[in-house]
Amino acid sequence: EAQVTQNPRYLITVTGKKLTVTCSQNMNHEYMSWYRQDPGLGLRQIYYSMNVEVTDKGDVPEGYKVSRKEKRNFPLILESPSPNQTSLYFCASRPGQGLAKNIQYFGAGTRLSVL
Amino acid sequence: ELKVEQNPLFLSMQEGKNYTIYCNYSTTSDRLYWYRQDPGKSLESLFVLLSNGAVKQEGRLMASLDTKARLSTLHITAAVHDLSATYFCAVDSSGGATNKLIFGTGTLLAVQP
Repeated sequence: EAQVTQNPRYLITVTGKKLTVTCSQNMNHEYMSWYRQDPGLGLRQIYYSMNVEVTDKGDVPEGYKVSRKEKRNFPLILESPSPNQTSLYFCASRPGQGLAKNIQYFGAGTRLSVL
Repeated sequence: ELKVEQNPLFLSMQEGKNYTIYCNYSTTSDRLYWYRQDPGKSLESLFVLLSNGAVKQEGRLMASLDTKARLSTLHITAAVHDLSATYFCAVDSSGGATNKLIFGTGTLLAVQP
């Protein structure tokens, strides 16, 4: 089944403790993104990637890092989480070409609480 | 800086009625997307609009794009309870060259029986 898989789905952590949220897609998509969703703000893009080793900042990259060493994986790293990073996070992917190239597939989401 | 505004933010409507959600954006783009999010769930792609005048329809939903007015609409015909969800529009100002999307704040639609 074609899917975008995020782990963990729920995470409670404390300020300053490094964490990684993993994202993996099995559709051989070139493009991948991370978003955060906060009430009243919609979705805001954190980082995006257009292919292996090609990443760029979205609108709210501060406090986050990403890497794209393999096409299928796009982990989101919080080196020193702070309470203002408490949010719902979504990973998404889409193909770079073909008829479906504009269809973005979203993971199920990761709800993060930083205490 | 690209801004995307949706209105209304909240819409309560009765089954069988028609209504329109509006999505305005602030800079040139011919690439606009509509998504649906059910409570506690992820986002599902509804429509992709890629040119001025584009119109797409699926069931009771119809989306259109006017790039000159920088406006997209999502029209709901004869609403049913199953359409209750949050609807987002998103704009790509790069023409698809990058993956940078700006989302609207969403419209929470509640269809009452």
